[in-house]
Amino acid sequence: NAGVTQTPKFQVLKTGQSMTLQCAQDMNHNSMYWYRQDPGMGLRLIYYSASEGTTDKGEVPNGYNVSRLNKREFSLRLESAAPSQTSVYFCASRQDLVQPQHFGDGTRLSIL
Amino acid sequence: RKEVEQDPGPFNVPEGATVAFNCTYSNSASQSFFWYRQDCRKEPKLLMSVYSSGNEDGRFTAQLNRASQYISLLIRDSKLSDSATYLCVVIGARSYNTDKLIFGTGTRLQVFP
Repeated sequence: NAGVTQTPKFQVLKTGQSMTLQCAQDMNHNSMYWYRQDPGMGLRLIYYSASEGTTDKGEVPNGYNVSRLNKREFSLRLESAAPSQTSVYFCASRQDLVQPQHFGDGTRLSIL
Repeated sequence: RKEVEQDPGPFNVPEGATVAFNCTYSNSASQSFFWYRQDCRKEPKLLMSVYSSGNEDGRFTAQLNRASQYISLLIRDSKLSDSATYLCVVIGARSYNTDKLIFGTGTRLQVFP
């Protein structure tokens, strides 16, 4: 019963490096989300995908890109990492608009 | 005014106490409401949905007050293991092609022996 799986769990990058955070869900959910969480800020939505083939910007999309590869997978890419992107990143999914979200266990990303 | 507001706390309570948190929301057309629990450095986990008639799950009771636009979470007989941050989530009015789900910033609960 995996639910939402994120990889990697931890990563340290240098400024300017690129990387992709992976997320997969096995619950056949339509919608998938990427959040970042910083101390005192709560969860902030970066991008979301309401269904396979669609993506939309959230509250804080600058510096990120996403790909909804198929119904299961939704990746987040940092093209040129900046120290301000040091954060904990959570992927989430849900079945439809009135259902709650299910979260992955997060990726802790540090950019030096 | 924020769309969803919570008292950040911390609420420091002894074991066995009853504690209640509120969460206010600004959009009167909001449709669905949930409480999540988040432990330090962990992912948010769904605690319970909030139904119009109120609902209970063991020591936890959730209520919705649409007239005053708030939801509440009551924890009875607090345990040390209840120490966590409690997030409220409000799903906004449904409209074509939007998917608006709003998290509060959380209320921190610390239960002490």
